[in-house]
This record gives sequence, C-alpha cells and structure tokens, in this order.
Amino acid sequence: LAKTTQPISMDSYEGQEVNITCSHNNIATNDYITWYQQFPSQGPRFIIQGYKTKVTNEVASLFIPADRKSSTLSLPRVSLSDTAVYYCLVGPRDDKIIFGKGTRLHILP
Amino acid sequence: DAGVTQSPTHLIKTRGQQVTLRCSPISGHKSVSWYQQVLGQGPQFIFQYYEKEERGRGNFPDRFSARQFPNYSSELNVNALLLGDSALYLCASSSLSVWSGAGRVEQFFGPGTRLTVL
Repeated sequence: LAKTTQPISMDSYEGQEVNITCSHNNIATNDYITWYQQFPSQGPRFIIQGYKTKVTNEVASLFIPADRKSSTLSLPRVSLSDTAVYYCLVGPRDDKIIFGKGTRLHILP
Repeated sequence: DAGVTQSPTHLIKTRGQQVTLRCSPISGHKSVSWYQQVLGQGPQFIFQYYEKEERGRGNFPDRFSARQFPNYSSELNVNALLLGDSALYLCASSSLSVWSGAGRVEQFFGPGTRLTVL
C-alpha cells in the first residue's frame, strides 16, 4: 500500500507561508500525489495534485523532488480560515485509496 | 450547480439494526466512492462504484454493502450495526474512475452522514 507520513500538527501565524511535508518512500511509478483539506464536520476538499516537479494553482503549490519520495504542500500567506486538517494521498493503487491521519494546521492571529 | 448530496444528515440507530445511507453525485459524474471517518482519524475507503460496477473495496466486513443505480446515485447499507460503526460516512463523486489512469481525478466530497449507534 502507498503509505504516507505527515506531521501530526503544525502551528503558524496569519500572513505566513506554511509548508507541510509528506513522506512517501514506496511511491510507485504510476502514483500521483494529491492533497485534500478538511474542515470539521465537512467532507475533504481537493487542493492540488501533481506527479513531479512543481504544480501551482490559485490556492497552493506542490513541490515534488526528482525521487518523488516526498512532497511539500505550500500555502502562501495563510489566514485563520486555513485552519484545517490537510491530507496527503499517494496512488490510487491496490484497489484502495488511502487517507492517512493528516496534519492539523492551526493558524494563530 | 449542486454538489454531492447525502441523506440523511444525521442518524441514530441501536446495535443490531440496519441502516441505508444515500448519495447523489454531481451531475455528469459516473463514479461514487464511500468512506468512513471515525472522530480524529482520516477517512477510510469502503467502496468505489463506477458505471454501476464495484471497482474497489476497502478492508470492511461483509456487513457493509453498496450499489449504484442507473442515474449514478448510490446507497451504502450496513447490517447488524455495532457501536464501532458510529462515524461520519462520506460520499465522493468523480467524473472518472480513480483507477482510470487518466491523471488528475479529483474527488468531490459530500457533507457526510453522521451515524450514531447506541
């Protein structure tokens, strides 16, 4: 299975750039890396997906090194509303889609 | 446009009972996936259906079953409820099967059904 490891929690301040790193040492050739955001009592929301190098959209950037064994989600100039749980997913494969425990990001004023 | 809808929003059952949860995907989406999320944990994959066929199954007992209808809506059934089945049940839809190999397959999640088993 595509196992991922993320920090359990992170704190940051409004206006700062936040980087959350995910480790996925057993990533396979066909695997994509996807990040989701989840607020309490809501379903997860897709943030960004990438395969290699760098991907940027209107809300985040995703940096993937050449060996693809890790990835970093970058949130520019966070606000209080970015307080949420962030999940890194790798795959899908083995007929399963795996969410880990995620990273609880807490933004302070 | 309407997003993914789920019903009911909340449900209370007792041990041993059976429950049916419903999901309507985004219009045009042919894939529906079901997840169980226990408090404090990430969503756990239960099933994926694409074009009315089961395409993937997570590590859940046979008490859990699902089906997808011709209009692509889906039902999740759980029999012989246990206390440990108490969770938020999430439905996600996508335009393609997540195993299509097409690259970006974004899943859109509904608000979930909160099931409490007493």
